[in-house]
Amino acid sequence: EIQLLESGGGLVQPGGSLRLSCAASRFTFSSYAMSWVRQAPGKGLEWVSAIIGSGGSTYYADSVKGRFTISRDNSKNTLYLQMNSLRAEDTAVYYCAKDRTYDITGYSYWGQGTLVTVSS
Amino acid sequence: SYVLTQPPSVSVAPGQTARITCGGNNIGSKSVHWYQQKPGQAPVLVVYDDSDRPSRIPERFSGSNSGNTATLTISRVEAGDEADYYCQVRDSSRDHVVFGGGTKLTVL
Repeated sequence: EIQLLESGGGLVQPGGSLRLSCAASRFTFSSYAMSWVRQAPGKGLEWVSAIIGSGGSTYYADSVKGRFTISRDNSKNTLYLQMNSLRAEDTAVYYCAKDRTYDITGYSYWGQGTLVTVSS
Repeated sequence: SYVLTQPPSVSVAPGQTARITCGGNNIGSKSVHWYQQKPGQAPVLVVYDDSDRPSRIPERFSGSNSGNTATLTISRVEAGDEADYYCQVRDSSRDHVVFGGGTKLTVL
């Protein structure tokens, strides 16, 4: 069974930084696009960022562009999200999601999520 | 930016058919994916590319997409189908992913 295990969440002050990781296993990681999707408490799903299989192209939601950076290390089967200048409205569960293809389509598997809380 | 509109809630009796809509401008020209999310759990893909179903998803789940509306249909609804359902597309004009606001399915 495909596994996606997020880590790195926690409590951070406004303006602070955090780096999320997603360790993937049991599939050919470099062959699939990956994304981060978040869900604020009691709210719906919000796409954050995506990266294609090679890592050569990245995409960001307007709400995080310029503050967050997505990357991947295909040799370590790991996806990352560097989050800077964090705001209260970034508080959410952050899910790592595996795309169905090399490019961005729909998500066939999701991790269990890691909670990020931005508060003073 | 591209917007997907879902009804906040849908209610159906056990054994009946639930239909959850997802509206968007010319959504029929896009591939629509649907996710089920139960409380405290991660989302699960139930329909992809408008009407295809992952192997682990029951045949009771089906989808269609035409014009300005995509629809997720759940036949012979069971208590275990009670969940939030989200539609999703790729907005190719901006290389963004868009989710609908979600629909809470209640089984009466």
